[in-house]
Amino acid sequence: DAKTTQPNSMESNEEEPVHLPCNHSTISGTDYIHWYRQLPSQGPEYVIHGLTSNVNNRMASLAIAEDRKSSTLILHRATLRDAAVYYCILRDLTQGGSEKLVFGKGTKLTVNP
Amino acid sequence: DGGITQSPKYLFRKEGQNVTLSCEQNLNHDAMYWYRQDPGQGLRLIYYSQIVNDFQKGDIAEGYSVSREKKESFPLTVTSAQKNPTAFYLCASTRDRGSYGYTFGSGTRLTVV
Repeated sequence: DAKTTQPNSMESNEEEPVHLPCNHSTISGTDYIHWYRQLPSQGPEYVIHGLTSNVNNRMASLAIAEDRKSSTLILHRATLRDAAVYYCILRDLTQGGSEKLVFGKGTKLTVNP
Repeated sequence: DGGITQSPKYLFRKEGQNVTLSCEQNLNHDAMYWYRQDPGQGLRLIYYSQIVNDFQKGDIAEGYSVSREKKESFPLTVTSAQKNPTAFYLCASTRDRGSYGYTFGSGTRLTVV
């Protein structure tokens, strides 16, 4: 089962900041927090990931709570092209040493012109 | 440019037939994954492989088979034992565990007719 909890949907206006929350209260010390987004009929696209410290890249910023039980993906100025389903995922180190990403249903972001 | 190629983009299958979906990557990634996505749902893991000639079942492996004879290739066969194969299939790959993101292909949409 997915180890993260996200709102089903969020709405934003174009050129405004968007804060997408994610709860992961059972996160372990070695779990990385990953964010991906998916446009309709396309494969997910990597957005950002982090472990403990806040992270920035050209697409977004990732703010991680001090206790690591929650995180927030920040899109600084939403555009219409940012409308997608956003997935918050923990890299799951399964028994035996193999890894896999476990996806929940994500947050569907709507951006209004 | 490096990436993952999935083919075909659309595939139609008659009931009772086996069909093979192709996934090729030129990213020199070690691990490869197959996911299934149903309308309005998140991704569910079918199979994954960390190294050549080794693979593990995911959460919904029944009715599917895979092989990993080459690092670059991870084909998925949807067998006649899969009772509800109509779905969007996504292939992904990544480098070693932990600090790397995953790259996804653009998907194959399989329809049983």
